[in-house]
Amino acid sequence: EIVLTQSPGTLSLSPGERATLSCRASQRVSSNSLTWYQQKPGQAPRLLIYGASSRATGIPGRFSVSGSETDFTLSISRLEPEDFAVYYCQHYGNSRYTFGQGTKLEIK
Amino acid sequence: EVQLVESGGGLVQPGGSLRLSCEASGFTFSRYSMNWVRQAPGKGLEWVSKISTTSSPIYYADSVKGRFTISRDNSKNSLFLQMNSLRDEDTAVYFCAREDVYLDSGGYYYLKDYWGQGTQVTVSS
Repeated sequence: EIVLTQSPGTLSLSPGERATLSCRASQRVSSNSLTWYQQKPGQAPRLLIYGASSRATGIPGRFSVSGSETDFTLSISRLEPEDFAVYYCQHYGNSRYTFGQGTKLEIK
Repeated sequence: EVQLVESGGGLVQPGGSLRLSCEASGFTFSRYSMNWVRQAPGKGLEWVSKISTTSSPIYYADSVKGRFTISRDNSKNSLFLQMNSLRDEDTAVYFCAREDVYLDSGGYYYLKDYWGQGTQVTVSS
């Protein structure tokens, strides 16, 4: 079973800064099996970005992903106030899903 | 507009049962696999179960296998989760989520593209 470890647990930044969130897999995974979700308090998760760097409908271009094999990174180029939320990476394999524990992006 | 609305949550004693429902609208329900995902208070997301379009195959997380049963009724655009032998650790918000499968040069992508707002399940004596 693949384990996803996200870091840091909490990231404190200011609007306008660049955010870098990490997702590390316990085994090599393909980039098309990795997906990122955003969740705000009291809301359902929202599909954010998948694959090499395909953004879901309505997701702005400041969101991007990079990485391969076991190390993946979600980057937000210039933080907007609405970007402060919890971000989860997720792996799909053998018809099962595994989530990372999440990174909380908070306003500094 | 795609909508997923969960219901059936509530307070139940350990060892008890509960049946969750998820009513879908705004898309052809029978064409999509569906999932249940839960979130314990203050915790992260945990995938629970997946059911394919024709109700077979079905998959479960190890934590619920043998206790939970996922099902669907395509004629009623509805997804269900029968939860038996409930434990304290099953306390969570339960979300239903649509699974879209997308293919491009990078391969297949399995995306949970629409989610309901969730229903609260509390297991406590």
